[in-house]
Amino acid sequence: GNSVTQMEGPVTLSEEAFLTINCTYTATGYPSLFWYVQYPGEGLQLLLKATKADDKGSNKGFEATYRKETTSFHLEKGSVQVSDSAVYFCALTSNFGNEKLTFGTGTRLTIIP
Amino acid sequence: KAGVTQTPRYLIKTRGQQVTLSCSPISGHRSVSWYQQTPGQGLQFLFEYFSETQRNKGNFPGRFSGRQFSNSRSEMNVSTLELGDSALYLCASSLGQGAGRATEAFFGQGTRLTVV
Repeated sequence: GNSVTQMEGPVTLSEEAFLTINCTYTATGYPSLFWYVQYPGEGLQLLLKATKADDKGSNKGFEATYRKETTSFHLEKGSVQVSDSAVYFCALTSNFGNEKLTFGTGTRLTIIP
Repeated sequence: KAGVTQTPRYLIKTRGQQVTLSCSPISGHRSVSWYQQTPGQGLQFLFEYFSETQRNKGNFPGRFSGRQFSNSRSEMNVSTLELGDSALYLCASSLGQGAGRATEAFFGQGTRLTVV
C-alpha cells in the first residue's frame, strides 16, 4: 500500500535559517504529492502540491520538487520566520478515483527569534 | 467563500455512549473525507463519501460509520465509545471529480472528542 516517511521532529531553528524537511514515499502508479501545515488548534492547510514528476510546488517561500527517481518530495525554505512555527505534514493521493490522503507522521517546527 | 464547517468543536462523552459529528463542505464540493488525528497514530483515514456513496474506507472497526446527504453535508457516527477514540476528528472536502488527478482537499478545524 501507499506510505509516506517523514523526517522526525521536533526541529528547532533560528530565524532566517535554511529549512529542509525530508519526505519520501512509496506508492503505485503516479501519485500527487502535498505538504500541509497545521497551526495550534487548527485544521490542516494546504501549503503546496505537485501532481507529476519534476513539478515544483511553491507557496509563501516554501518549495518542494516531485522527484520520482528518488521517490522524494522534500520541503525547503531559504529563510524561516517565527510565524512558520507549526507542524508540517507530507501527504500523497494515489489518484485511483478517490481522494484518500496518506500522511506522514508530521514534523513540528519551532523558530526561535 | 465559506470554508469547511465542523460541529461541534469540542465534545466530552462517556465510555459506551455514541456520538455524531457533522461536516458541511465547501459549496460545490461533492467529496467529503474524514480523518482521525491522535498523538500516537497521527492522521489516519476513516472514509470518503462522494455523491452520497462511500467510495473508500480506512481500517477502522464497524463502530465508526458515516453518511453523506444530497447537499453533500456529511456526518460520522461512533458507537460504543472507547477511551482510545479520544482524538481530533478532521473533515476534508474536495471537488472529487472521480477518476484522474485528486483535487485539493480543504480541511475544517476539527472536532475534539474526549471520552472519559
